[in-house]
This record gives sequence, C-alpha cells and structure tokens, in this order.
Amino acid sequence: DIQMTQSPSLLSASVGDRVTINCKASQNINKYLNWYQQKLGEAPKLLIYNTNNLQTGIPSRFSGSGSGTDYTLTISSLQPEDFGTYFCFQHNSWPLTFGSGTKLEIK
Amino acid sequence: QVQLEESGPGLMQPSETLSLTCTVSGFSLTSNGVGWVRQPLGKGLVWMGTIWAGGSTNYNSAVQSRLSISRDTSKSQVFLKMNSLQPEDTGTYYCARHRATEGIGDYWGQGVMVTVSS
Repeated sequence: DIQMTQSPSLLSASVGDRVTINCKASQNINKYLNWYQQKLGEAPKLLIYNTNNLQTGIPSRFSGSGSGTDYTLTISSLQPEDFGTYFCFQHNSWPLTFGSGTKLEIK
Repeated sequence: QVQLEESGPGLMQPSETLSLTCTVSGFSLTSNGVGWVRQPLGKGLVWMGTIWAGGSTNYNSAVQSRLSISRDTSKSQVFLKMNSLQPEDTGTYYCARHRATEGIGDYWGQGVMVTVSS
C-alpha cells in the first residue's frame, strides 16, 4: 500500500497568512493526488484534484503543486472559513489511500 | 442537482453483517462510479471500495474478504455489505461519486454513523 504522510499534523495561522500543507507519498503517484477539506460533522469537500486542478466553486486562494512523491496545498491568504482538517488522497495505485490529516486552526 | 444519501442501521452487534444503501440522484450509475469511505470517530478517512459505471468493483485489501459492493441501477442505489463486524468497524460511512480520472468525492453523502457494540 502507498503510505501518505502529511505535515504538519497541526497548524495554527492567522487570517491573511500564506499556508502550506505537505503530503509525501511512499512511492511515485504520478500526480494523482487530491486535497479535501473537512469541517467537524460534515463530509469532506474536494478542493483540488490531480495535483493542481481547482474543483468548481473552490476559491482561487487554494492551489496545489507537486510531482513524483511530494505534493503541496497552498492557501495564499487564509480566511476565517478555512479552518478544518485537510486530507490528501492518492488515486494512482490500489488500494487508494488518504493522508492522516492536517488540522488547521485560525489564530 | 447531484445528491447522494446513505441509509442504514445505526447500531450493530459484533459478528453481524452491515448493510448500507446509497441513493443517488442527479447522475446515472451507468456513467459514474460510486465509492465508500469510512471514518472512525475523530480519525482519518479510509477508502473501502468502489463500484464503477460498468459494474466492476475495486476493494481495499484490508476489508476485501468481508466487503461487497453492488448496485441497482433502476433504483439509483448502491449497496455496501460487510460481514463479521467488529468494534473497530465503528465509524461514519460515506458514499461519494468516484470519477476514474479525477478521483473520489466531487459529491458526497452526509454520512451515516454506524456503531458496533454488544
């Protein structure tokens, strides 16, 4: 199985900050990497698919990059509504696997 | 609009078989895949399996021996059945639309909480 290691596991940032969350795969996943945001009591929401494609309706302050085994989600200017837990997900190889999550807190 | 809704029992006994239904609207099961994702309380997400537009399935090897996903396209329903339940199967079960090239979850159900306890 491909292991997805996210860092940091906990992130505290202020409104307006530029925030980056990292995801490292245990092997090459060929850019088949998605990012999701989840708020307490809600289903996950797809933000980015295939490394750098913004899902419809997602603000442009969210962006993704990466290749091979290393991927990054960037929030260019943090907004109060961006709190929650962020998960990466690889869909290159079976079984499909999620990262363990990054909890983003707003200072 | 696209919607998915999970339904099923909230409380199960160990060793029982879990049956969940995902009813979809706004898209066709013959053109889209649907996957199941589990989330233990307070923990991360685990992809369990997917049924594709053509009816084929892929399962997570961790649960493959206990899991079956099927569908009734005429009713726009996808079914999850998992036997030999254990307390560690407790969690919220989500169904989500699964596109082959873009991955899972452009649309999700609200989730159904399942507790396995004697």
